[in-house]
Amino acid sequence: DVKVTQSSRYLVKRTGEKVFLECVQDMDHENMFWYRQDPGLGLRLIYFSYDVKMKEKGDIPEGYSVSREKKERFSLILESASTNQTSMYLCASSLGGIEKLFFGSGTQLSVL
Amino acid sequence: DQQVKQNSPSLSVQEGRISILNCDYTNSMFDYFLWYKKYPAEGPTFLISISSIKDKNEDGRFTVFLNKSAKHLSLHIVPSQPGDSAVYFCAASANTGGFKTIFGAGTRLFVKA
Repeated sequence: DVKVTQSSRYLVKRTGEKVFLECVQDMDHENMFWYRQDPGLGLRLIYFSYDVKMKEKGDIPEGYSVSREKKERFSLILESASTNQTSMYLCASSLGGIEKLFFGSGTQLSVL
Repeated sequence: DQQVKQNSPSLSVQEGRISILNCDYTNSMFDYFLWYKKYPAEGPTFLISISSIKDKNEDGRFTVFLNKSAKHLSLHIVPSQPGDSAVYFCAASANTGGFKTIFGAGTRLFVKA
């Protein structure tokens, strides 16, 4: 079974802090994604990557950056956290193309 | 601009009856559609998918129907079970879209015993 692991289940940070969310997948998947889930808005795509060192903006990239130095690891960075970035963050991976996504359990981030 | 819309935030169904979850999309470039199921404190898990060249796909109790002319798809669960109570997300992607998958807002299904 594919496993997508997110490093933290809950995080509490202060406004202005730099925040790193880590994600690792163990099935040699080409594509990796970061989404945020908010009530009434569903899952919105922040960034995705289809290869090492490659990244593409999703629908809401403002305030975020990403890093993919190794195939199995995809990091989401909040350069200066703000309260409107309080959300559930979900990492996902897929084999390639438009294949189904495998999700991690999510990180609930609270920015105070 | 929501490209994938699930207009019913919640749905309540009696155990043993049919659950029908609906989804509409606006982008005619979408050619692959998926349903995901999400329990609290877990990530979404893939449930069933359908390619735009088909109008129906079935997997056990779950059937997805696609009406391309209406840009509408639906998920039927028969018979519904209490363990089906979860949030269901409709999603769509396009081969020309850089592998992006766009999700709807979700529908929370309650199956009453």
